[in-house]
Amino acid sequence: DIQMTQSPSPLSASVGDRVTITCQASQDISNYLNWYQQKPGKAPKLLIYDASNLVTGVPSRFSGSGSGTDFTFTISSLQPEDIATYYCQQYDNLITFGPGTKVDIK
Amino acid sequence: EVQLVESGGGLVKPGGSLRLSCAASGFTFSSYNMNWVRQAPGKGLEWVSSINSDSTYIYYADSMKGRFTISRDNAKNSLYLQMNSLRAEDTAVYFCARGLGLCSGGSCYPIQPMNYWGQGTLVTVSS
Repeated sequence: DIQMTQSPSPLSASVGDRVTITCQASQDISNYLNWYQQKPGKAPKLLIYDASNLVTGVPSRFSGSGSGTDFTFTISSLQPEDIATYYCQQYDNLITFGPGTKVDIK
Repeated sequence: EVQLVESGGGLVKPGGSLRLSCAASGFTFSSYNMNWVRQAPGKGLEWVSSINSDSTYIYYADSMKGRFTISRDNAKNSLYLQMNSLRAEDTAVYFCARGLGLCSGGSCYPIQPMNYWGQGTLVTVSS
C-alpha cells in the first residue's frame, strides 16, 4: 500500500501570504497526484490533477508541482475564502488520500 | 449541470447491512468511472471503492474488501454501494464522486481524479 504524508498541519497564515503544503508518497507515484480542497460541511473539490494541472475554473493562485515521491501545493496569495483543509491523493496504485492540511487565517 | 445525489444512509446495528445509492444527472453516466469515498466524523477522506464505466474494473480498499460491493446501472444512471457486516468504524459520511474522464488512445484510466462529488449521506453504525 502507498502511504501519503502531508506537512505542515495545521497551517496558519495571513491574507496575502504565499502558502506551501508538501505531500510525500511512500514510493514513486510518477505524477499521479491530485489536490483537493474541502471546506467544513462540504464535499471535496478537485483543484489540481496529475501534480500540476489546474482544473478549469480554479483560480490561478493555486498551483502544484513535483513528481516521484515529493510534491508541493502552493497558494500564491492566500485569500479568506481559501480557508479549508487540503488533501493530496495518489492514484498510481489504487487510491490513497493524505491526512490533510488545515489552513486558517492568522 | 452535473449532479450527484446520494441516498440510503441511516442508523444500522453492528453486523447489519445497508445499500447506498447515488443518482447521477447532467452528464453521460455510462462514460465515466465512479467512486465512493467516506469521511468519519472529524476525520480525513478515505477511499472506499471505484468502478469503471462498464463495470469491467472494480477496486476496493483493503478494509472494505469482502464486505462492500460497488455496482452501477448505466440504464438508470445510478451507482450503488452494498455494505454488509457493518462495524462501528464504518460510521462516516459516504460521498459518491465522478471521475475526471481521463482517456488516452480510446482507453480510459480505470481509476481517475474525482472532479464532481455529491453532498454525502451519513451512515451510523451503532447498537
